[in-house]
Amino acid sequence: ETGVTQSPTHLIKTRGQQVTLRCSSQSGHNTVSWYQQALGQGPQFIFQYYREEENGRGNFPPRFSGLQFPNYSSELNVNALELDDSALYLCASSLIGEKLFFGSGTQLSVL
Amino acid sequence: AQSVTQLDSQVPVFEEAPVELRCNYSSSVSVYLFWYVQYPNQGLQLLLKYLSGSTLVKGINGFEAEFNKSQTSFHLRKPSVHISDTAEYFCAVSLSGGSNYKLTFGKGTLLTVNP
Repeated sequence: ETGVTQSPTHLIKTRGQQVTLRCSSQSGHNTVSWYQQALGQGPQFIFQYYREEENGRGNFPPRFSGLQFPNYSSELNVNALELDDSALYLCASSLIGEKLFFGSGTQLSVL
Repeated sequence: AQSVTQLDSQVPVFEEAPVELRCNYSSSVSVYLFWYVQYPNQGLQLLLKYLSGSTLVKGINGFEAEFNKSQTSFHLRKPSVHISDTAEYFCAVSLSGGSNYKLTFGKGTLLTVNP
């Protein structure tokens, strides 16, 4: 049990819709990272937030956006969903530069 | 940019046998190296990491890995596996230094331990 919780656990959306995924960080952690894990692939870095500011971004289009709140919880928003967005989305919290603690993920299916 | 290649997508072994999961990386700068395990329907758990110092790194659950700079490898080993070790294993790298802990993962190796 890492203390990182994600909601919802599963989600089904239609192409073109928008989705918001949520992450509650482990107590005391000031950094949250989001990863996308497609079926049969390793996780891919989407972005990281540190003290409510984006602190690095992977090779994902602008329709992937995020927020980190003062209590260090976080949201991942994806607009104009595409079929290829179907994946497990993982959130990880940490102290900056320290070990990542991953949640169990949100499984997103886009039909 | 850095990349990670996990040479085996699946590794079946018998219980109590030794196992090695292979990982090679590519980077033009110094990197940190990691192994993560993912059990079904769970997130990733850190097994071990190499940041600097001794090239032989010991992790949780009896796993160890050896960093070989000349061969750009970071293979994971366990002398005797258990049924409970059945899981997906991911090798990952990040650039050393800095505050951005961005990880680049390999595609994973499914370890299946059979009785």
